[in-house]
Amino acid sequence: GAGVSQSPSNKVTEKGKDVELRCDPISGHTALYWYRQSLGQGLEFLIYFQGNSAPDKSGLPSDRFSAERTGGSVSTLTIQRTQQEDSAVYLCASSPRQGAGSPLHFGNGTRLTVT
Amino acid sequence: DQQVKQNSPSLSVQEGRISILNCDYTNSMFDYFLWYKKYPAEGPTFLISISSIKDKNEDGRFTVFLNKSAKHLSLHIVPSQPGDSAVYFCAASLYNFNKFYFGSGTKLNVKP
Repeated sequence: GAGVSQSPSNKVTEKGKDVELRCDPISGHTALYWYRQSLGQGLEFLIYFQGNSAPDKSGLPSDRFSAERTGGSVSTLTIQRTQQEDSAVYLCASSPRQGAGSPLHFGNGTRLTVT
Repeated sequence: DQQVKQNSPSLSVQEGRISILNCDYTNSMFDYFLWYKKYPAEGPTFLISISSIKDKNEDGRFTVFLNKSAKHLSLHIVPSQPGDSAVYFCAASLYNFNKFYFGSGTKLNVKP
């Protein structure tokens, strides 16, 4: 497809379990971002990739959160030992180049519910 | 500390009238600003942007105004249409930097 693809679209998990969220960016986009939106909140920055490296991980809430990107394409966000406060919509976005006024293109998100 | 703020969580406007959505920011170094539109169960879609060298950018029914001295930007939609009903997010960044800061959104309802 032409857009950013995220899977799964919905995930319900029990507290304490690990989850993996996947993002397929637009082909050729070198920059990839993860944001999350908790209920009633704005978009919270988590991590940014340029190629396969992550120059800015400052938004990851705790060491239970990690992300990787392989081949300059697909990215996986992993949350270990999930907690109820991790429940949110996790949004992935990509852009064609670093900075220079390049807007983000978002996927439809993964709605994570931790019970 | 939220660097981009949208103080109105919701706005209701009659079809055909003007919608004005507001956004304030605290970091005077921000020099690139964007508006995104979000429908339920979809990701935000890019609407319009403005760099700090301009004070106005227009695209069809959508105009963004930037007041750097007040650290304020606004999005004008005229005329408003029912299909414009969505949540609107403003965002800001440094032009050659990669972190975008988003506001909490304003839910616009355009009544037919």
